[in-house]
Order: sequence, then C-alpha cells, then structure tokens
Amino acid sequence: KAGVTQTPRYLIKTRGQQVTLSCSPISGHRSVSWYQQTPGQGLQFLFEYFSETQRNKGNFPGRFSGRQFSNSRSEMNVSTLELGDSALYLCASSPGQPPSYGYTFGSGTRLTVV
Amino acid sequence: AQSVTQLDSQVPVFEEAPVELRCNYSSSVSVYLFWYVQYPNQGLQLLLKYLSGSTLVKGINGFEAEFNKSQTSFHLRKPSVHISDTAEYFCAVRGPKAGGTSYGKLTFGQGTILTVHP
Repeated sequence: KAGVTQTPRYLIKTRGQQVTLSCSPISGHRSVSWYQQTPGQGLQFLFEYFSETQRNKGNFPGRFSGRQFSNSRSEMNVSTLELGDSALYLCASSPGQPPSYGYTFGSGTRLTVV
Repeated sequence: AQSVTQLDSQVPVFEEAPVELRCNYSSSVSVYLFWYVQYPNQGLQLLLKYLSGSTLVKGINGFEAEFNKSQTSFHLRKPSVHISDTAEYFCAVRGPKAGGTSYGKLTFGQGTILTVHP
C-alpha cells in the first residue's frame, strides 16, 4: 500500500515568487492536513481538508492557501514568498472516519527561499 | 486551547540503557495523544497513540507510553535502546472535533532529540 506522496521533495525559490506543493494521500483516505516545520517554530498546523472542503485553518497569513480535489489529492500554494517561508512542509492523511485514526505523514517538501 | 510541553530538548543515552521521554499536555477536554518519530530528512512516523481504554499503550519498535490523566502526562519509554533509535521524537495532542466535520488539528511539542551512544 503506497504511503503519502509529496512532490517535489526539494524546491528553491526566490523571494516574491509563488510556489505550489502537491500531496497524494493514501488510497481511500479522505482527510488531508498540512503542517509547516521550522527550527524556530517547530511543527505548526496550516490547514485541514475533507471531501474537498477546508475544515480547519491555522494562524497563517492569507498568502498560504490550499485546496483538495475530488480524488483527495491536495495542493498548497504560497504566494509572494518570504525568506521566513523556508521550511519543511508536511502533508498528513487520515481515513477521516472515525476521528480516532492517527495521521500518516509524507516525507515532506523542503522549501528554500533565497 | 491545547498545548504540549516536552520537558527535555535533548536526551543522551548509552546503547541498551532504558530511556524515558517526557511529555505533558494541557487541554480542557478529552484528548487523543500521539508520539511520532522523525529521522533526518524524513517525515513523521507514528510510534503509538492513546485514544481511550488502557492507559498503557504499546507501539512499534519496542516503545510504550503511559497516559496519566491526573498528571496530564504521556511519557514515552523504551527498556533498552539501540543506535537506530537516534532521532527526534514528538508528542502531539488532538482534541475532539473542532466543529462541523473537522477532526481537529494536531498540536505538537517542540521535540526531543534522542541520541544513543555506543
């Protein structure tokens, strides 16, 4: 059974550009969440999607957005990149029902903003 | 609001020694508790989870954790560590549904780096 797939694994962007990261959840999983991991702030919640709808959102500026498609694949977009957006972005999937299941994380996308 | 405190940022230990990684949480409601491990340049791997029932939870790789509601703790233990256990460990808490069909975000501790020396 394939795990959570995140692409690309590594990305280098310039300040002011925008970036799109992709996440394919485990087959059959309907819930996808995104987290940002930095040395200073640790792991912080970005969004949660279920059945193409955003169900929960963390405390990030509007430059961070996401969406989920009908096949449960999810993308997140960061516009007008800042140096502080350099981080490991992790996607996690869950069956979605019931809520007691743990999340399965992907290997992440390492974004470097220069 | 929920919060998680991992009491040690780094724990050095010798191979085959026992280890305990400490985690305290704060929540006004019932919670689900998790321990994850992260190896360098990788994502998070679930070690174990507490949802309800027995307060002693057994996970993968010989790890176990004990849920203590009165002390709001969920400490991770392993009786004998191996070099391969060197990694960063994260404790996380998730509350009940945040509303609607949201399953609630995971709130993580700051992580504990476990270093196993030969």
